[in-house]
Amino acid sequence: AAGVIQSPRHLIKEKRETATLKCYPIPRHDTVYWYQQGPGQDPQFLISFYEKMQSDKGSIPDRFSAQQFSDYHSELNMSSLELGDSALYFCASSLSEPSAETQYFGPGTRLLVL
Amino acid sequence: AQSVTQLDSQVPVFEEAPVELRCNYSSSVSVYLFWYVQYPNQGLQLLLKYLSGSTLVKGINGFEAEFNKSQTSFHLRKPSVHISDTAEYFCAVTFGGTSYGKLTFGQGTILTVHP
Repeated sequence: AAGVIQSPRHLIKEKRETATLKCYPIPRHDTVYWYQQGPGQDPQFLISFYEKMQSDKGSIPDRFSAQQFSDYHSELNMSSLELGDSALYFCASSLSEPSAETQYFGPGTRLLVL
Repeated sequence: AQSVTQLDSQVPVFEEAPVELRCNYSSSVSVYLFWYVQYPNQGLQLLLKYLSGSTLVKGINGFEAEFNKSQTSFHLRKPSVHISDTAEYFCAVTFGGTSYGKLTFGQGTILTVHP
């Protein structure tokens, strides 16, 4: 079965650079969630989209922005990167919200900021 | 306040022994409950979920969990663990009302199975 695809899987950036992470949800899933997992931490919710509209917002820095496109894929744009942004970024998708349909996670993008 | 607490940060156990990983939540609204497993350097895999109905839910790899509303708990159990169960386990909750959808995770429990 098709799973959530994230690209790139690994990314190394310098401080103050920008990064774009991409997420391709499971086919027919219309909701995308982004989570950030710092080293040794639990995943923290950043932002979610339902039918290309932002549906909820968590602890996402103002330096980050995201959107969901017409084909339901999503991109997380991160600017003015800081050392503390080094983390594993997960994307998850579900069929619809707010039905609490199960979220399926991608393998994550590991971002290292030097 | 809405929160999720995993009571044990690390649980060491011998192979073929039973194990219980504890999870408690605090909420004034309805909840949906999940357990995810994360193997080293990998993503999150759903083990099981409780949405409604029977309070005892069975998941993959022989795991099960019981929802106890009065104790606001959702403990994960396995009667006999294997070396391959060594991983980090996260309890996660979606809270009702306007926050439906996003998962709030517990701090994680590292299960280490020794031969």
